[in-house]
Amino acid sequence: AQTVTQSQPEMSVQEAETVTLSCTYDTSENNYYLFWYKQPPSRQMILVIRQEAYKQQNATENRFSVNFQKAAKSFSLKISDSQLGDTAMYFCALGSGNTGKLIFGQGTTLQVKP
Amino acid sequence: KAGVTQTPRYLIKTRGQQVTLSCSPISGHRSVSWYQQTPGQGLQFLFEYFSETQRNKGNFPGRFSGRQFSNSRSEMNVSTLELGDSALYLCASGEQGGTEAFFGQGTRLTVV
Repeated sequence: AQTVTQSQPEMSVQEAETVTLSCTYDTSENNYYLFWYKQPPSRQMILVIRQEAYKQQNATENRFSVNFQKAAKSFSLKISDSQLGDTAMYFCALGSGNTGKLIFGQGTTLQVKP
Repeated sequence: KAGVTQTPRYLIKTRGQQVTLSCSPISGHRSVSWYQQTPGQGLQFLFEYFSETQRNKGNFPGRFSGRQFSNSRSEMNVSTLELGDSALYLCASGEQGGTEAFFGQGTRLTVV
């Protein structure tokens, strides 16, 4: 069975600082994808960053980057220069290359403090 | 490109009624997936449709059903509503499915 675990229910960071959100996963598939989604109070799920499992290079999108450790089945999200608009719930998700099914972690609520 | 559109945004229904939710995917996307989000259970996968065929199904009772039309628009139906069906229902679309997923704004269903 595929599982995703986010062990940090809540986190906070000062504006302009850096924060790392943790995620571990388990899958027996070789062709899979990992995602971080942001869900602000509006409840819109916004794709932050994605990582193809077959790529060794860590994905980066502006202030957002991941640390993908395939052997350890770890996929953490680093947010640099945190902004007030980053305040949201963040979900780690695991997808199979063959279907549209995503398995989500429990989420981490991030608060950025001024 | 327009994003994923879900209608209606809010819905209040009475126990025992049925409800139909609609999702229009991003143009060109053939995969549409549905998720239920509740405070207690988090985000749970309902089902996925790809080119009008149900490709994957989550662990939900048969009261939850869906379909996809030739233009890739999808509908989700819940019959005999229960109080526990109150949730945010999210739809996601993608070209191939598991390689990417873009979400709509969701439909907030309240069962009273």
